[in-house]
Formats: sequence, C-alpha cells, structure tokens
Amino acid sequence: AQSVTQLGSHVSVSEGALVLLRCNYSSSVPPYLFWYVQYPNQGLQLLLKYTTGATLVKGINGFEAEFKKSETSFHLTKPSAHMSDAAEYFCAVKSQAGTALIFGKGTTLSVSS
Amino acid sequence: SAVISQKPSRDICQRGTSLTIQCQVDSQVTMMFWYRQQPGQSLTLIATANQGSEATYESGFVIDKFPISRPNLTFSTLTVSNMSPEDSSIYLCSVPGTGLSYEQYFGPGTRLTVT
Repeated sequence: AQSVTQLGSHVSVSEGALVLLRCNYSSSVPPYLFWYVQYPNQGLQLLLKYTTGATLVKGINGFEAEFKKSETSFHLTKPSAHMSDAAEYFCAVKSQAGTALIFGKGTTLSVSS
Repeated sequence: SAVISQKPSRDICQRGTSLTIQCQVDSQVTMMFWYRQQPGQSLTLIATANQGSEATYESGFVIDKFPISRPNLTFSTLTVSNMSPEDSSIYLCSVPGTGLSYEQYFGPGTRLTVT
C-alpha cells in the first residue's frame, strides 16, 4: 500500500536557522507530491507541489522542496526560519487508486527567538 | 483556488446524537472529499462525493455511520451518526484544483468534541 513517512514528529529551530522537514513516500508510479501547512485552528494550506519536470519546487513563504526519485524523498526546506512558520506540516502523495491524497502523520515545527 | 466554507466551525455533542456538517464551495466542482483528522493524527479520507451518484467510502468507513449528501455542484454534507467519544475529530472537506496536478484545497474544518 502507498504510504508517506515524515521523519520527526516535532522539529525545533531557532529564528533565522535552516528548516528541514523530511518526507519519504512509496509509489510504484511517478508520484504527485505535496506539502501542506496547518496553522492552529485552521484548515490546510497548500505550500507547494511536485508533478513533473524540475525536481526543485518553490512554494509560498520561502519554502522549497526537492524531489529525489532515487531516495523516494521530498524534503521541505527554508533557508531562514521565521516565528510565523511555527505550524503543523503535512506531506502527501496522490493515491495511485484515484485522486485522493495520502498524508503523512505530520511534523510540528517550533521556532524560538 | 476555490474558497471553501464549513459549518459549524466547532461543536460539542453528546454521545448517541448526530451532527451534520456542511461544506460550501464558491465554484462548481464535480468531486468533493471528506477527511477526518483525529487528535494528534494525520488526515484520513472518509469518502469521495460525486454529484449525482452515491459517495464512495474508504475502508473502515460506512454509509450508516457517515452518510453524505451531494445535492448540487457547490454543496455537500457529512453526517456523523450515533456519535461516541472516538468520533471527536476535525472533519474537513476538500475539492480538487482546476489543473491536472491533483492538488486539493481544504475548508477550515469542523472541530467536533463528543462527550
């Protein structure tokens, strides 16, 4: 069965530090991959997506992710963390069986001053 | 992207009762999805609702417990029936994007607490 694994349920960084949130997926076909962010008491907001083409994908709020097929990874990065980045981040892959999304368990990002 | 609203935003219900959650989209969409997010967990797809046909439920979810209506292309409801504390979750609806990249756009969610 398809799955998404997010390594680290909680990541803490200092303001201005590099943010790295890890995501590995399983898929037997070229995947469609997504990162979503969920701020407290809000719904999910699409950060970025990978479909085909360039493996380095840029998203909103300075985030980017790199698709590495050989590593089945789609890690999310941001060069310099801001306090407003504190939120829950979810990695997702499109289901092979249809158009639904399969989500990882999420990573809580904390940013300290 | 579509603008999606949900009602109610939160509710506290007694066990054994039912709650109907509404999802309204500002544009016509063929497909809508309902997800559940249990406390501290990720999102799990409950069902896919296509206008004009019965909803398709994922393994572990049944129509008697989570009946869904889809009366038109901009609206859907999810009912959580005969609730128990285990049903305490955030329920979110989503719709596909308009391109071919399969992204989904989510409503703000309904936070349900069952006592």
